Amino acid sequence: QVQLVESGGGVVQPGGSLRLSCAGSGFSFGRYDMHWVRQAPGEGPEWVAFLSFDGTFKHYAKSVGARFTVSRDNSKRTMYLDLDRLRPEDTALYYCARDLGGLDYYFDTWGQGTLVTVSS
Amino acid sequence: ENVLTQSPATLSLSPGERATLSCRASQSVATYLAWYQQRPGQAPRLLIYDASTRATGVPARFSGSGSGSDFTLSISRLEPEDFAVYYCQLRSEGPRTWTFGQGTKVENK
Repeated sequence: QVQLVESGGGVVQPGGSLRLSCAGSGFSFGRYDMHWVRQAPGEGPEWVAFLSFDGTFKHYAKSVGARFTVSRDNSKRTMYLDLDRLRPEDTALYYCARDLGGLDYYFDTWGQGTLVTVSS
Repeated sequence: ENVLTQSPATLSLSPGERATLSCRASQSVATYLAWYQQRPGQAPRLLIYDASTRATGVPARFSGSGSGSDFTLSISRLEPEDFAVYYCQLRSEGPRTWTFGQGTKVENK
């Protein structure tokens, strides 16, 4: 079945860096646009980043600006999110999500998330 | 920026009752709106997209309606597993971003 599995979360100090990974299985990974979405404790989801199927097009939320970088390796069926200059407000559960397809409006499959905690 | 406002924040109902959730966009989105369900400890799940199309495997008791700026998610008869938080979501242009509403919690009365 279609599955997404995130990894790489952990506890990091403010100003630190982290790399998250999202491994896809059960579908043609290289044919789908993908997203990262985060959810702070007790809050609603917040979209973070978009990456087109071939890695050509990227979009980021204003809140992460140039601090985060999304990339993918289709040969490994994996997407990455590099988090840099982390702030306490970046503390959240980070999900990867598959785009429904077509015009890139919706998220049809989600992983279970990986927790990032930014604290001294 | 297109902002989504959901109401009410909390809906207290009993199993078997009908639930009606509202989502309003600050700018028109035609019918490009989705609804997600999130149960405690789980990831969000796509229920409805394009305002009224049920996602694969979603029971028929869930229905969506609306266009422009006003949208509704209805659950005809609440089952125990339907008590959860529901979010609406849209995509904006200039720059391209994806936005969620703040959520409506459907709780067991």
